[in-house]
Amino acid sequence: KAGVTQTPRYLIKTRGQQVTLSCSPISGHRSVSWYQQTPGQGLQFLFEYFSETQRNKGNFPGRFSGRQFSNSRSEMNVSTLELGDSALYLCASSLLGSNQPQHFGDGTRLSIL
Amino acid sequence: GESVGLHLPTLSVQEGDNSIINCAYSNSASDYFIWYKQESGKGPQFIIDIRSNMDKRQGQRVTVLLNKTVKHLSLQIAATQPGDSAVYFCAENYGGSQGNLIFGKGTKLSVKP
Repeated sequence: KAGVTQTPRYLIKTRGQQVTLSCSPISGHRSVSWYQQTPGQGLQFLFEYFSETQRNKGNFPGRFSGRQFSNSRSEMNVSTLELGDSALYLCASSLLGSNQPQHFGDGTRLSIL
Repeated sequence: GESVGLHLPTLSVQEGDNSIINCAYSNSASDYFIWYKQESGKGPQFIIDIRSNMDKRQGQRVTVLLNKTVKHLSLQIAATQPGDSAVYFCAENYGGSQGNLIFGKGTKLSVKP
């Protein structure tokens, strides 16, 4: 069974640009969550999607947004990029139901110049 | 959860010894806990989970202990191997949404051959 797939693996952007990251969950997983990982703040929750609806949102500015498609694939978008947005962006998927573990992809490394 | 600073707690063990990694979680209402292993350049990999109605759970070479009284988790790795070298994170889930994990700061495990 294929794991969570994130594309692209690496991305370089400049300040003010926008970026879209993609995530394909494990087959059969309908819940998708996004996290930001930085050395200073660690792993922080961005948002969670299920059935194309955002179910939960972390404490990030509105420049960070996401969506989920009918096949459970998800994208996240960051607009007006800032230097501080440089991070590893991780996607995780899980089965729906209480206490189901999230399984992570290897992330997209975003560098802002 | 706590943020990850530039200086992760480090545990250095000899190959073949047992390792114990500790974690303090933040919310007494958390009802589900997961341990992840993250190797360089990869996303967090699920190791083992435990629900709040349990105090111990065993997997292959790993055991998780939960002490709700003091909000403490530990991960025990038996017969530690060089391939176990990685950063280990505990994560807690609360708030009624399974998609929102709160991560601990992480511990770097180094295994000396």
